[in-house]
Amino acid sequence: EAEVAQSPRYKITEKSQAVAFWCDPISGHATLYWYRQILGQGPELLVQFQDESVVDDSQLPKDRFSAERLKGVDSTLKIQPAELGDSAMYLCASSLRSEETQYFGPGTRLLVL
Amino acid sequence: GESVGLHLPTLSVQEGDNSIINCAYSNSASDYFIWYKQESGKGPQFIIDIRSNMDKRQGQRVTVLLNKTVKHLSLQIAATQPGDSAVYFCAVGGATNKLIFGTGTLLAVQP
Repeated sequence: EAEVAQSPRYKITEKSQAVAFWCDPISGHATLYWYRQILGQGPELLVQFQDESVVDDSQLPKDRFSAERLKGVDSTLKIQPAELGDSAMYLCASSLRSEETQYFGPGTRLLVL
Repeated sequence: GESVGLHLPTLSVQEGDNSIINCAYSNSASDYFIWYKQESGKGPQFIIDIRSNMDKRQGQRVTVLLNKTVKHLSLQIAATQPGDSAVYFCAVGGATNKLIFGTGTLLAVQP
């Protein structure tokens, strides 16, 4: 069964450092999402891609976060510089099209010290 | 904006009993509803979804009921098993296809 792949699974960094997360969606899925999930809460959308284009980044803190999906397949989410409040689970999801079911990867758990 | 809430943060059931997890939403324009299961340290796993043109949908041991009049949906799990223990999230989507997630209900299955 096809799955969304994410790496690394865990990341510990110090504040002010740069971190990057990678996501490989299910093959053929045109829409890719990055979510942030704080412990005890539901995921919140950070950015949505349709192929290589950003269609929603209204909740992305653009002063420190960036996301790209250059060839419309895999994607990278970057934080620079990391802050203590960025500690969370970062989830990637993909769907065949924007109106279809979103399937999630295992997530990257980030701890900022 | 959309807000999604769950009626109970924790639900404890006996193995073999049926479980019902409830969710309320605020935006009457919402037309897509989905339930996810999340085990500790893992990403959300799709369970079942329903669109606003339906009021009931069944899967394997799970049923989702949608009441658009009172803006409420529920997830029913039949013959609950220990492997069903997890946090369950409802999520709601609308015209923008952006999903708004609730805060989750922890289902604890007692043997």
